[in-house]
Amino acid sequence: DIVMTQSPDSLAMSLGERATINCKSSQSVLHSSNNKNYLAWYQQKPGQPPKLLIYWASTRESGVPDRFSGSGSGTDFTLTISSLQAEDVAVYYCQQYYRTPFTFGPGTKVDIK
Amino acid sequence: EVQLLESGGGLAQPGGPLRLSCAASGFTFSSYAMSWVRQTPGKGLEWVSLISPSGGNTYYADSVKGRFTISRDSSRDTLYLQMNSLRAEDTAIYYCAKANGGSNTPFDFWGQGTLVTVSS
Repeated sequence: DIVMTQSPDSLAMSLGERATINCKSSQSVLHSSNNKNYLAWYQQKPGQPPKLLIYWASTRESGVPDRFSGSGSGTDFTLTISSLQAEDVAVYYCQQYYRTPFTFGPGTKVDIK
Repeated sequence: EVQLLESGGGLAQPGGPLRLSCAASGFTFSSYAMSWVRQTPGKGLEWVSLISPSGGNTYYADSVKGRFTISRDSSRDTLYLQMNSLRAEDTAIYYCAKANGGSNTPFDFWGQGTLVTVSS
């Protein structure tokens, strides 16, 4: 199975600050046939289901604010919130959909300082 | 508007069965892979199972293989999860999720979830 790890476990930033979450996969999720990274980021707010933010490691889902961006390739990925807003308080998960079982990272809790 | 409505959750006996349903609307159900993902209250996400758009291919987490069966009925636009031999560790919120394409694509819509509690 591909194991996903995330760092940090939690972070607290001031409004308007940049927040960075890292995700690492135990195997590459870059498919050589199409040069795509099978990596997604989800946001989950309390009492709600997860919401897709980023897929193919860097493609923003429709309707997602452009302060959210994804980067990385192979085994190392980053989700960046360029200017943290109050509504961004949530837990963020990365997920690989390269190979079943489609594993999720343990999550990173983002809060406002 | 895409909607996914899960049902069938509740209290189940250890060793017993339970069947979850997910009624889909707002998209061409037969064109997309569908999945079940669970979450223990206060914990992280665990992918459980996935079914291809045609229903011809199914995939399971090792933790449920041989006990759970995923299926879909395109005439009813409904996804199912038959859960047998339930264990306490199957207690979780079960989400139905739509893939945004075939089997190896991310989950772009999620239902609100249905809570399954396995306890005597």
